[in-house]
Amino acid sequence: IAGITQAPTSQILAAGRRMTLRCTQDMRHNAMYWYRQDLGLGLRLIHYSNTAGTTGKGEVPDGYSVSRANTDDFPLTLASAVPSQTSVYFCASSDSVAGGDTGELFFGEGSRLTVL
Amino acid sequence: GQNIDQPTEMTATEGAIVQINCTYQTSGFNGLFWYQQHAGEAPTFLSYNVLDGLEEKGRFSSFLSRSKGYSYLLLKELQMKDSASYLCAVMDSNYQLIWGAGTKLIIKP
Repeated sequence: IAGITQAPTSQILAAGRRMTLRCTQDMRHNAMYWYRQDLGLGLRLIHYSNTAGTTGKGEVPDGYSVSRANTDDFPLTLASAVPSQTSVYFCASSDSVAGGDTGELFFGEGSRLTVL
Repeated sequence: GQNIDQPTEMTATEGAIVQINCTYQTSGFNGLFWYQQHAGEAPTFLSYNVLDGLEEKGRFSSFLSRSKGYSYLLLKELQMKDSASYLCAVMDSNYQLIWGAGTKLIIKP
């Protein structure tokens, strides 16, 4: 059982470069999310998608874009990376917009991105 | 603004009991969640409370008081593997999750 797969696991990137973090889930969940996690801060929502074909902005969307062409895939793109985007990025999914009866989010293992 | 407060770090002894508190101020309330996150790993779901009271699940229990904007996670019979960060999150009126910064729990033998 794979659940959610993220790639790459870690990446060092020069400032100004374009980078896409990949996220794939095999649970047929409708909703998917991208969070960033920084030391001393809670998880912050970057973008989300309630269903295939729709996306929305979260708390910290600037500098990031997403697409949701199908149910399974939800890539996150940094068009021109900056050092402040150094973070751990988590992709997550849930089986409904409101997180289902239990509110459970399923997380990928994270992508550690360093922008120099 | 919306705010979730929880202690930054706590230390407890193996075999003991520890209570991790979470207070919140959010725009609406659609449930409170606790997640566990081991260092370098993804968060995993522990509990969900939407009504006042205590929810027990094995060694872990979670309590909610909506009138006080307060929750706690109670961990009994602590084991070394319980060393992790515990994240409190509240779902607001827009069904968006607001996350606390997490409480790092250190278990000592």
